[in-house]
Amino acid sequence: NAGVTQTPKFQVLKTGQSMTLQCAQDMNHNSMYWYRQDPGMGLRLIYYSASEGTTDKGEVPNGYNVSRLNKREFSLRLESAAPSQTSVYFCASDSGGALMSQYFGPGTRLLVL
Amino acid sequence: DQQVKQNSPSLSVQEGRISILNCDYTNSMFDYFLWYKKYPAEGPTFLISISSIKDKNEDGRFTVFLNKSAKHLSLHIVPSQPGDSAVYFCAASDDNYGQNFVFGPGTRLSVLP
Repeated sequence: NAGVTQTPKFQVLKTGQSMTLQCAQDMNHNSMYWYRQDPGMGLRLIYYSASEGTTDKGEVPNGYNVSRLNKREFSLRLESAAPSQTSVYFCASDSGGALMSQYFGPGTRLLVL
Repeated sequence: DQQVKQNSPSLSVQEGRISILNCDYTNSMFDYFLWYKKYPAEGPTFLISISSIKDKNEDGRFTVFLNKSAKHLSLHIVPSQPGDSAVYFCAASDDNYGQNFVFGPGTRLSVLP
């Protein structure tokens, strides 16, 4: 039971390049989330998917797109990376319900030059 | 303006003593609160939760206190152990659904042997 897995662990991009961050969970959770964490700030929600086939914007969606490929997988795409997107990205999942804590992946550290 | 604040970026405590981590919030509609712990190079892991119908919740060495009138919650760890050294995030929501939790910036706790 791997929980929430993310790939890659670390990535360096040049401004304007694109990439996709992958996330998968094996807990049969309905809801999945993408967050970014910047120094001195809490986790901020980029996008979430409350169930397979649905996606919604979070607090900071600009510059990102997502795909809920199936119940297990939720990917985050940067079409044209900018230095402001340098951050640590966390994927999370939960079963969706009352006061359910989220399970987080180990994070992807992204550096955009 | 941050809705969830953790005004102490760091805290050092001697092993065996009590650690008190504080969290303040500005939105009086917040009714659900979670604490997460995060080790370096790992994702956050859920620690303990509380809803506004209670003012205290205990789980082993961890106790969370909620003072709604002051918009303040605190996490007590007794006794503190070196393995508790981590970054602690509080998160708050008005409807206990994952996409609506607002995270604080975190407090780094160091427990000294």
